[in-house]
Amino acid sequence: QVQLQESGPGLVKPSETLSLTCTVSGGSISSYYWSWIRQPAGKGLEWIGRIYTSGSTNYNPSLKSRVTMSVDTSKNQFSLKLSSVTAADTAVYYCAREGGWNEGYFDYWGQGTLVTVSS
Amino acid sequence: QSALTQPASVSGSPGQSITISCTGTSSDVGGYNYVSWYQQHPGKAPKLMIYEVSNRPSGVPDRFSGSKSGNTASLTISGLQAEDEADYYCSSYTSSSTYVVFGGGTKLTVL
Repeated sequence: QVQLQESGPGLVKPSETLSLTCTVSGGSISSYYWSWIRQPAGKGLEWIGRIYTSGSTNYNPSLKSRVTMSVDTSKNQFSLKLSSVTAADTAVYYCAREGGWNEGYFDYWGQGTLVTVSS
Repeated sequence: QSALTQPASVSGSPGQSITISCTGTSSDVGGYNYVSWYQQHPGKAPKLMIYEVSNRPSGVPDRFSGSKSGNTASLTISGLQAEDEADYYCSSYTSSSTYVVFGGGTKLTVL
C-alpha cells in the first residue's frame, strides 16, 4: 500500500520560503507524476503543481513565479519550495500521487501538513 | 472563486439517495472524460471516490456513482449512511495551463 508523508516547518515568516518534503513508502516513486495541493482553512482545494520522476514539472500559473519542485528518486522523495510567502499561503499542504496518465486525478494522498505564515 | 461550481450543501436521510452537481465548461468537464470526485471528512485528507467520470477505485462502495452530461458532472450516493456525511469535491482535467481544477466543495449532511 502506497503511503505519503509530508514534512517541514509548520511556521514560516512572511517573505520567506516555505519548504516541504513528501516521502513515499510502500512503492516506487518512479514512473508517476507527483503533485502538491493545498487547502486554506474552511476553503477548497488548489492544485499547486506536479513533478515527474524525470524532473519535468508543471505549475499552476497563479503560483508559477514562486514555485519550485524537485525530486530525489534515490530517497523516494519529492519537494516543494514556495517563495515570498504571505498570510494568504497559510494552508494545509498535501502531497499526492497522480493516477492514470495526464488525467488529473489523485489516488493516494498524504495526511497533510499545516503551514502557517506569521511573524 | 472556484473554477467548477458545486452546491454549498445537500442533505438526505439514511437510506435515501442524493446527487451533487459539478458544473464547468467545454474546456474542462464538458471536453474530457476526466472528472473525479473526492470525499473529505473533517481533519482528514481527501479520498478518491470516482475517477474518469464514473469509475470507482477498489474499495469504494457501489453506492457511489458518477455521470456526466454536457458541462455538468454528477455524483450520486444511494442508500445514504451516516458515515457518508462529509465534504465532497469534484475536479476535472482542463486544457488550460492550470491542468486540473476543483469545485468549491459540497457539505453533505445525513439527517
